[in-house]
Amino acid sequence: DSGVTQTPKHLITATGQRVTLRCSPRSGDLSVYWYQQSLDQGLQFLIQYYNGEERAKGNILERFSAQQFPDLHSELNLSSLELGDSALYFCASSPPAGELFFGEGSRLTVL
Amino acid sequence: GENVEQHPSTLSVQEGDSAVIKCTYSDSASNYFPWYKQELGKGPQLIIDIRSNVGEKKDQRIAVTLNKTAKHFSLHITETQPEDSAVYFCAASGGSYIPTFGRGTSLIVHP
Repeated sequence: DSGVTQTPKHLITATGQRVTLRCSPRSGDLSVYWYQQSLDQGLQFLIQYYNGEERAKGNILERFSAQQFPDLHSELNLSSLELGDSALYFCASSPPAGELFFGEGSRLTVL
Repeated sequence: GENVEQHPSTLSVQEGDSAVIKCTYSDSASNYFPWYKQELGKGPQLIIDIRSNVGEKKDQRIAVTLNKTAKHFSLHITETQPEDSAVYFCAASGGSYIPTFGRGTSLIVHP
């Protein structure tokens, strides 16, 4: 158990819909990262937050947004969903300059 | 940005054999190279890492080597066991500590 909790584990929705994925980082970790894992693209970095502030942005679509709350949990919002958004979404947390600890992921299926 | 290439995409070995996974990176500023193991239904988990001031690191049956001049690094697993079967990811990062991942190697260890 990495200590990172993600909900929901599985989510099935339709095109055009909006979903929210939630992540609770390890106790004490201020950094939260979101990655997308699909079969053809591997693990793609989406966005990083540090203590409530956006720190770095990767290949995140404009239809996607994220935030980190004062209690350090984070949410990834995916809107106007397309079939190609079906993937595993991972959250990770880390101490400063430390290794990433990944949650078990949220599997999104868009029908 | 950083680009990490990983080979092979699939590796099948007999129990007891050695397995080698190779990665190359593009950004000469990268100085941290972690390796993650992802078991079915789980998130990636760090198994070993190496920093640019070290050429080799060993942890029991696992070793990682780094050649900064050639910009490549490798994971070596000796005496493979069925429980080593998983997807392995190499990654590279620089000052941001945000790893860029390779596409993964599916290692299958046959009993």
